[in-house]
Amino acid sequence: KQEVTQIPAALSVPEGENLVLNCSFTDSAIYNLQWFRQDPGKGLTSLLLIQSSQREQTSGRLNASLDKSSGRSTLYIAASQPGDSATYLCAVFSGTYKYIFGTGTRLKVLA
Amino acid sequence: DAGVIQSPRHEVTEMGQEVTLRCKPISGHDYLFWYRQTMMRGLELLIYFNNNVPIDDSGMPEDRFSAKMPNASFSTLKIQPSEPRDSAVYFCASRKSGDYQPQHFGDGTRLSIL
Repeated sequence: KQEVTQIPAALSVPEGENLVLNCSFTDSAIYNLQWFRQDPGKGLTSLLLIQSSQREQTSGRLNASLDKSSGRSTLYIAASQPGDSATYLCAVFSGTYKYIFGTGTRLKVLA
Repeated sequence: DAGVIQSPRHEVTEMGQEVTLRCKPISGHDYLFWYRQTMMRGLELLIYFNNNVPIDDSGMPEDRFSAKMPNASFSTLKIQPSEPRDSAVYFCASRKSGDYQPQHFGDGTRLSIL
């Protein structure tokens, strides 16, 4: 059974700092991994999707990497801003059209 | 393009009442998912549909929960009778077919059962 873990559960950093969020999964047989952002009272916004054959994806200040063999993905945020404050979730797609979500990392960027 | 649309945004009702949540997926998406999010359990998949047909409802907690998708542009999640432990945020999401298609979420319905 696929399990997805995100560490740390919460993170507080000063503005301008580069930071890394971690996502671990137990079953390496995945099709893709998706990173989401969730603002309070809102739904989930897709940030990046990495296909199983890819090693990384980039969008602006965000870079997500995937290492299937070790069951890990990281989301790198460069030059963090207060507007980046949100909860970040990773979700693993292992077929049967089910996404398994991690419990999220709550990020606060201090001005 | 319009995203996934859910209604109502907030629902407060008394225990024992019937609750109906509604979702309009993105046009052209043939998969629709219902999730529940709580502080204790995080985001849980309740049921998903493919081409309006329920494929996997193993996440539906009890017989009090039911979901329908009468056509490609509309789905409902019904709770009857509702209980306080059903209080949560319920999300609908949709996606296109294909292993590499992203999932798109609505803004959710915040449900409070008193």
